[in-house]
Amino acid sequence: SQQGEEDPQALSIQEGENATMNCSYKTSINNLQWYRQNSGRGLVHLILIRSNEREKHSGRLRVTLDTSKKSSSLLITASRAADTASYFCATDAAGANNLFFGTGTRLTVIP
Amino acid sequence: DAGVIQSPRHEVTEMGQEVTLRCKPISGHDYLFWYRQTMMRGLELLIYFNNNVPIDDSGMPEDRFSAKMPNASFSTLKIQPSEPRDSAVYFCASSLLTGATGELFFGEGSRLTVL
Repeated sequence: SQQGEEDPQALSIQEGENATMNCSYKTSINNLQWYRQNSGRGLVHLILIRSNEREKHSGRLRVTLDTSKKSSSLLITASRAADTASYFCATDAAGANNLFFGTGTRLTVIP
Repeated sequence: DAGVIQSPRHEVTEMGQEVTLRCKPISGHDYLFWYRQTMMRGLELLIYFNNNVPIDDSGMPEDRFSAKMPNASFSTLKIQPSEPRDSAVYFCASSLLTGATGELFFGEGSRLTVL
């Protein structure tokens, strides 16, 4: 399966701390995306990193990609209570036109 | 733009009944995806369309499931007959580019409970 796996499954931190989530996948990819899902809502796209990129930033988000290890990490700096959500990585398979989602990390930011 | 619109948001039905879920993608998006989310299996891709044509339906669980896209602004996912194990949140998503190269825009989901 192309499905990625996030680690940890759940993470609880204090407001202001940094949160790091990891994603591992199984086969070669063209790109990797991260999505956020608030409870009871749809997924929202956060950031896309291509296979030839190693790091990408967007506001308080920093994503890294290591294709040799087939892994990615999402760092949220200076976390806020509003960051509480589930975070998913999604990968394509080289040549495929769809995305496969990981199992998600449930982040809780305590005010 | 109103985003991807799904209906109904919640559906409770009895085993054996027909269920129809509806989706209106974002105007101009050429790709439409149906996903199912459960605690046990996470997010599963059921089927996706390109320009109203089904491209990959290998994720459709069984013949009880069918999906159509009669035009660029409307798609349905039908379950007939429904079973308790079909209980899940069903998401529709659309994309301007392929899911592999572009951002997916998700609807708010249809939560289905089959008793």
